Amino acid sequence: EAGVAQSPRYKIIEKRQSVAFWCNPISGHATLYWYQQILGQGPKLLIQFQNNGVVDDSQLPKDRFSAERLKGVDSTLKIQPAKLEDSAVYLCASSLSPDSQETQYFGPGTRLLVL
Amino acid sequence: AQSVSQHNHHVILSEAASLELGCNYSYGGTVNLFWYVQYPGQHLQLLLKYFSGDPLVKGIKGFEAEFIKSKFSFNLRKPSVQWSDTAEYFCAVNAKGNNRLAFGKGNQVVVIP
Repeated sequence: EAGVAQSPRYKIIEKRQSVAFWCNPISGHATLYWYQQILGQGPKLLIQFQNNGVVDDSQLPKDRFSAERLKGVDSTLKIQPAKLEDSAVYLCASSLSPDSQETQYFGPGTRLLVL
Repeated sequence: AQSVSQHNHHVILSEAASLELGCNYSYGGTVNLFWYVQYPGQHLQLLLKYFSGDPLVKGIKGFEAEFIKSKFSFNLRKPSVQWSDTAEYFCAVNAKGNNRLAFGKGNQVVVIP
């Protein structure tokens, strides 16, 4: 079974530039998550989708971050404009359903460095 | 909102030593508890999880964790570690009915051959 795919794996940009990350979840997984993991911290949920609808975006900085999952499969996360403090690993995860006992499967992450 | 505390961020030990990583959470309601592991160069993966029933749960690779409700703890243990257990370990919790996971800061474990 293929895992969660993410691209790019690494990205270096200057502050005030924009950047986009892509995620392809495990086939058949209805629930998709984006996490931000700052160095030395655990992952923090940014946004959760159920199919193509947003379930929880309470921790997403909406002035600069946006995400979509138009066809209920792939998802993109965008930052515009980027700030220095956005340097982090952006993790995508998916689960079969939004049940709280469902295992979340993580992708390899995109490591972003903002200069 | 839930929060998770993991202490002793860096742990260094020799092969065959015993490992115990502490995890405490703050939440007054019923929770689900998870330990995730990230091996060098790999993605986060589930080690074990607890929902209900026997508070001692066993996971992959000889790991186990014990849920102590009165202490709001879910400590991870392994009696005898191997070099291949070198990894970062994260404790996570969510509330029943809400799958938003709250992660601790992680424990970086290095096992010396």
